Amino acid sequence: DVKVTQSSRYLVKRTGEKVFLECVQDMDHENMFWYRQDPGLGLRLIYFSYDVKMKEKGDIPEGYSVSREKKERFSLILESASTNQTSMYLCASCARTETTEAFFGQGTRLTVV
Amino acid sequence: AQTVTQSQPEMSVQEAETVTLSCTYDTSESNYYLFWYKQPPSRQMILVIRQEAYKQQNATENRFSVNFQKAAKSFSLKISDSQLGDTAMYFCAFMKGGGATNKLIFGTGTLLAVQP
Repeated sequence: DVKVTQSSRYLVKRTGEKVFLECVQDMDHENMFWYRQDPGLGLRLIYFSYDVKMKEKGDIPEGYSVSREKKERFSLILESASTNQTSMYLCASCARTETTEAFFGQGTRLTVV
Repeated sequence: AQTVTQSQPEMSVQEAETVTLSCTYDTSESNYYLFWYKQPPSRQMILVIRQEAYKQQNATENRFSVNFQKAAKSFSLKISDSQLGDTAMYFCAFMKGGGATNKLIFGTGTLLAVQP
């Protein structure tokens, strides 16, 4: 079974803290994604990575950065957390093939107080 | 830029009946893929069904089938014989084909409740 594992299911952080959300996949997938899920807005792409050290901005990259030093790990970083970053964060990965299916982690519900 | 629109925020269906969820998309690409994903209350997102744009035949997976209308840019999901376990948020998604750096773009979702 493909596994995409996010480091935390629930997280509470204070405004101004630096926050790291980690995602690890075990299927040697080239592509990895970070989404933010909010009611009524669906899944919005923050960043994605198509190879080690390679990244592209998604639709809402402001306030976020990412790191991909190893193929299996993709980290989302909130440099200075703010209350408007309270949300559900989903990581996904997929192979670089034409009929690819994306596999998702279980999500991290982040609350910034 | 590609967009995906789901115009039904919530739907309800009786157990054993059929329901259709709507999705439209906008793209100038000719090579792309469309997906329906399901997110139950457990939050684990799973793939329900996939359609390649170059295939005219509509995809089916057991009780799930799609109506793919390429010219109209419409991609609806039909769930037959609805079961309580089908209660979930359903997301329509789009991915451009033919490249390594293709984003997976989602709609806003439809919350489906299957009533006993």
